[in-house]
Amino acid sequence: GQNIDQPTEMTATEGAIVQINCTYQTSGFNGLFWYQQHAGEAPTFLSYNVLDGLEEKGRFSSFLSRSKGYSYLLLKELQMKDSASYLCAVRVRTAGNKLTFGGGTRVLVKP
Amino acid sequence: GAVVSQHPSRVICKSGTSVKIECRSLDFQATTMFWYRQFPKQSLMLMATSNEGSKATYEQGVEKDKFLINHASLTLSTLTVTSAHPEDSSFYICSGEAGGPPDTQYFGPGTRLTVL
Repeated sequence: GQNIDQPTEMTATEGAIVQINCTYQTSGFNGLFWYQQHAGEAPTFLSYNVLDGLEEKGRFSSFLSRSKGYSYLLLKELQMKDSASYLCAVRVRTAGNKLTFGGGTRVLVKP
Repeated sequence: GAVVSQHPSRVICKSGTSVKIECRSLDFQATTMFWYRQFPKQSLMLMATSNEGSKATYEQGVEKDKFLINHASLTLSTLTVTSAHPEDSSFYICSGEAGGPPDTQYFGPGTRLTVL
């Protein structure tokens, strides 16, 4: 199976930057996704990495190092609405391209 | 992004009854749809992969006779929870693959099932 680890909770201040790390152990890696999920709602797609490097999308960036089995999601200029859970998910070719999710990181943005 | 709808958004039923949840891809065709279950403060757990026109593939530990999945068209998949019990109370979320690359999964808004 796949092991995907991410911190359970993080707290940050409005306007600041927060980095959410995700480590994974898998074979047949075929991409890593980050999703945002507000309480009681479905996840919304944030970013996708399949090659090493940084992908930037506005205030959100995601980085991948396949050799290290490591990714991070960087949230800049934090806003109160960014308080949510952030889910790291790995897709594995040998598992029919299914997504396996980490436990999620709950981010609390304080004024 | 692609839009997925789910109906109903919330359902309360008595123990022993069956509940059907619909998942529709509104602006794309989804050959493959996925059904997840999420318990409070936990992550998404994949229940089954639904393929249009063929039988669903269930994850280990998920009873296929209890969770019936039908993927009748490229835009509709249904999950029926048969003989529901209180332990089936959960947040059920579907997703559809919008086509690649990168074959991103887009999620429906979820269905909160409460079994009394």
